[in-house]
Amino acid sequence: DTAVSQTPKYLVTQMGNDKSIKCEQNLGHDTMYWYKQDSKKFLKIMFSYNNKELIINETVPNRFSPKSPDKAHLNLHINSLELGDSAVYFCASRGTSGGRSYEQYFGPGTRLTVT
Amino acid sequence: GENVEQHPSTLSVQEGDSAVIKCTYSDSASNYFPWYKQELGKRPQLIIDIRSNVGEKKDQRIAVTLNKTAKHFSLHITETQPEDSAVYFCAARSTSGTYKYIFGTGTRLKVLA
Repeated sequence: DTAVSQTPKYLVTQMGNDKSIKCEQNLGHDTMYWYKQDSKKFLKIMFSYNNKELIINETVPNRFSPKSPDKAHLNLHINSLELGDSAVYFCASRGTSGGRSYEQYFGPGTRLTVT
Repeated sequence: GENVEQHPSTLSVQEGDSAVIKCTYSDSASNYFPWYKQELGKRPQLIIDIRSNVGEKKDQRIAVTLNKTAKHFSLHITETQPEDSAVYFCAARSTSGTYKYIFGTGTRLKVLA
């Protein structure tokens, strides 16, 4: 009954590789996000999709490409991984109607380590 | 651009004392201010929030106050317990453009038993 889930939970890979992280929410929300949390715990928004449409695209290298096959799923693909990509990546979702539409719920995070 | 400043970055209190964390936002169009608690290795969890049409909100031992004029909002935890130890983040949601959530830099709260 997990509301927002991510896979994998841990990802260790070498520089130059390409990897994907998947996110799914079963809350019926319309809007999903990707955040990056670095070693200093700063939470920075990367992307947001609303009903499969990209609505936020922050200053993120082109190597990062989000994809939303439907409004319940938001994936993140990273090409040519670099050491600086090591971080915890959180997916989040938010409804867009009703009294709780402002509330954002986070997934458990994916700890990416690039060696 | 939009910015949220959060202070202090670390806070140690004795069990039973109160803790206060303060945030200042730059975007006057912000209308929603959540607070998240993040325990070590876990996801940020929403603990309380406040909308711009309200000045104060309380939920048991935690409360949030908002001063729209000064663009300040604060988290107050009373009767702190060791399990309150975590990193706390404030955030502000802008209504201009893309409804983005801008997070503060976090406060590491330690409650000493």
